Amino acid sequence: QSGLTQPPSVSGAPGQRVTISCTGSSSNIGANYDVHWYQQLPGTAPKLLIYGNNDRPSGVPGRFSGSKSGTSASLAITGLQAEDEADYYCQSYDSGLSGSVFGGGTKLSVL
Amino acid sequence: QVQLVQSGTEVKKPGASVKVSCKASGYTFSDYYIHWVRQAPGQGLEWMGWINPDGGDTKFAQIFEGRVTMTRGTSISTAYMELTRLRSDDTAVYFCARGVGYSSGWFDYWGQGTLVTVSS
Repeated sequence: QSGLTQPPSVSGAPGQRVTISCTGSSSNIGANYDVHWYQQLPGTAPKLLIYGNNDRPSGVPGRFSGSKSGTSASLAITGLQAEDEADYYCQSYDSGLSGSVFGGGTKLSVL
Repeated sequence: QVQLVQSGTEVKKPGASVKVSCKASGYTFSDYYIHWVRQAPGQGLEWMGWINPDGGDTKFAQIFEGRVTMTRGTSISTAYMELTRLRSDDTAVYFCARGVGYSSGWFDYWGQGTLVTVSS
């Protein structure tokens, strides 16, 4: 299974900066496919947060940023706020599977 | 504004089939792929496949091959996902999502989700 790997959980205090990693392989992120990030609040549908590795849709605060290097990508959140407490997922395309793949998700706790 | 509105909660017995609909509005239906993603209780997101509303071609994740069908009604801007031979581990919330960048892009709008419970 050529999925993407994320840490199960991260945490930070209000105002701090946190990063969430997303590790792939040579058939997805390493094959130069873009990485996208989603935020999912409890009981709701995922919301697009970052697309094309580091672009933000209209309405997403500049506190959220993405980066990609080699076979990995990262989501950074600065100035952490209580409302950021959610699950975060990375997504890319996998040439071996000929389809999209998601990371397992990371639960962000704001202490 | 772009909206994807899905059909309601379903309860099915093992071995049965379920068909979930996803009605699109606010954009030209044929211009964007519709993807289906599911989420089992307490679990992560799992991509199931896509349908190209313009032509009806489809692509499914290998684990669903032979059990899933994706269709569309272009005159009513609605996509459908049917899953057959249901098992208890198919219990999940099923989402439709609009795909940007054809088959390898991102999902910019999502439906509200449809809970499918498989139980005897």
